[in-house]
Amino acid sequence: DGGITQSPKYLFRKEGQNVTLSCEQNLNHDAMYWYRQDPGQGLRLIYYSQIVNDFQKGDIAEGYSVSREKKESFPLTVTSAQKNPTAFYLCASTLAGGNNEQFFGPGTRLTVL
Amino acid sequence: GQNIDQPTEMTATEGAIVQINCTYQTSGFNGLFWYQQHAGEAPTFLSYNVLDGLEEKGRFSSFLSRSKGYSYLLLKELQMKDSASYLCAVRGGNNRKLIWGLGTSLAVNP
Repeated sequence: DGGITQSPKYLFRKEGQNVTLSCEQNLNHDAMYWYRQDPGQGLRLIYYSQIVNDFQKGDIAEGYSVSREKKESFPLTVTSAQKNPTAFYLCASTLAGGNNEQFFGPGTRLTVL
Repeated sequence: GQNIDQPTEMTATEGAIVQINCTYQTSGFNGLFWYQQHAGEAPTFLSYNVLDGLEEKGRFSSFLSRSKGYSYLLLKELQMKDSASYLCAVRGGNNRKLIWGLGTSLAVNP
């Protein structure tokens, strides 16, 4: 079955620790995205990547880092510099082209204690 | 700036029809998407409009007027499972990322 996987579903970390969230897709999609969702805030774009070995900052990139070494994978690292890391993190991917919808993974709920 | 507006909350009755509006102001326009998101889950794609007019897909329809910067999602024969947040998103002029509204939380009552 083709799809996007994110693991784990729930993640707990202590304040000051870096944590990496995984995102893998086997849809052969070109572009991948990381969003953060907080209550009442909607989806906010953190980073996105159109092709392998290239990525761009979104609207709230501070305190986050990404890599795109393989087409299928786009891991997100939440660093200790991120002031409010507790949130629901969603990964999405899409084929190139304007009329292609974004497909979302199930999300990771990160709680920093 | 770029902005998308949707009502925050709506309530409707099972079996009824509800219309969720979305207005947008963006730099360029390359399509408008509607997504459904149940609490604690990921958004799922509902519809896409790039030309003016109505797109119908089962119980759900979506309308677009580019000149007015306006879209609506129409849900017919409402079911309890339609209780969810409905997100409007626009692909702007750079064609690389979506601009998201805050979502409309719909509660369907018996």
